[in-house]
Amino acid sequence: GDSVTQTEGQVTVSESKSLIINCTYSATSIGYPNLFWYVRYPGEGLQLLLKVITAGQKGSSRGFEATYNKEATSFHLQKASVQESDSAVYYCALSDSSNTNKVVFGTGTRLQVLP
Amino acid sequence: EAGVTQSPRYAVLQEGQAVSFWCDPISGHDTLYWYQQPRDQGPQLLVYFRDEAVIDNSQLPSDRFSAVRPKGTNSTLKIQSAKQGDTATYLCASSLYWGAYEQYFGPGTRLTVL
Repeated sequence: GDSVTQTEGQVTVSESKSLIINCTYSATSIGYPNLFWYVRYPGEGLQLLLKVITAGQKGSSRGFEATYNKEATSFHLQKASVQESDSAVYYCALSDSSNTNKVVFGTGTRLQVLP
Repeated sequence: EAGVTQSPRYAVLQEGQAVSFWCDPISGHDTLYWYQQPRDQGPQLLVYFRDEAVIDNSQLPSDRFSAVRPKGTNSTLKIQSAKQGDTATYLCASSLYWGAYEQYFGPGTRLTVL
C-alpha cells in the first residue's frame, strides 16, 4: 500500500536557525500522488500548511517550503530561519491524484524551537 | 466561521463499554471524515461520507465500529464494545466539496480504554 515515512520523531532547533524535516513516500498503487504538509500547533487542530500536486513543483507557506521530488520520492519541509512560534507537530501526507479524499499520513515530527 | 467541533473532548472507559463520538463539520462542507490516531502515530482514515452516503468504510473494524451521517451534516462514530487497542484520539475532518484538497480538522476526542 501507499505510505509516508518521517524518520525523525522529534527535532530541536534554536531560534533563527535553519530547519529541515525529512519525508519520503511510497505510492505503489498510484502514479504521482498529491503531497501535503499538515501542522498541529499546541492546543489547536490539525491544519494544512502547504500542498503540491505536480511533480517538480515547490509549495510554500508561512516561510516554509517543500519541493516534490519524484525521483527521490521525497517531500522534505524546510525553513531558513525558525521562530519559537513554529514549535508544533508536522505531518507529511499524500493522496491519490484520482481520489484526493483518501489521505495517508506519516507519523509526525515534533519540532521544538528553543529561544 | 466556526470550525469543526467534536464532543466529548475526553472519554475513559472500561473494556466492553460502548462510546459515541459526535462531530459537527463546518457549515456547507459536504465531505466528512473520521480518523483514528493512536499515540505517536499519524491519523489513519476510518470512514468518510459524501453528504449522508458512506463512500468508504473499509478501514472500520466493522464488528464494533459504526458511523452515520443521517442528514448530511452532523456525524456520530460509535464503538460498541471498546477494547484497550481502541485507545487513541478520534479526529473528525470536513472538506468543502468532494475532491477538495484541504481537510479541516476538529480538536479530536481522546479515548482511553482501561
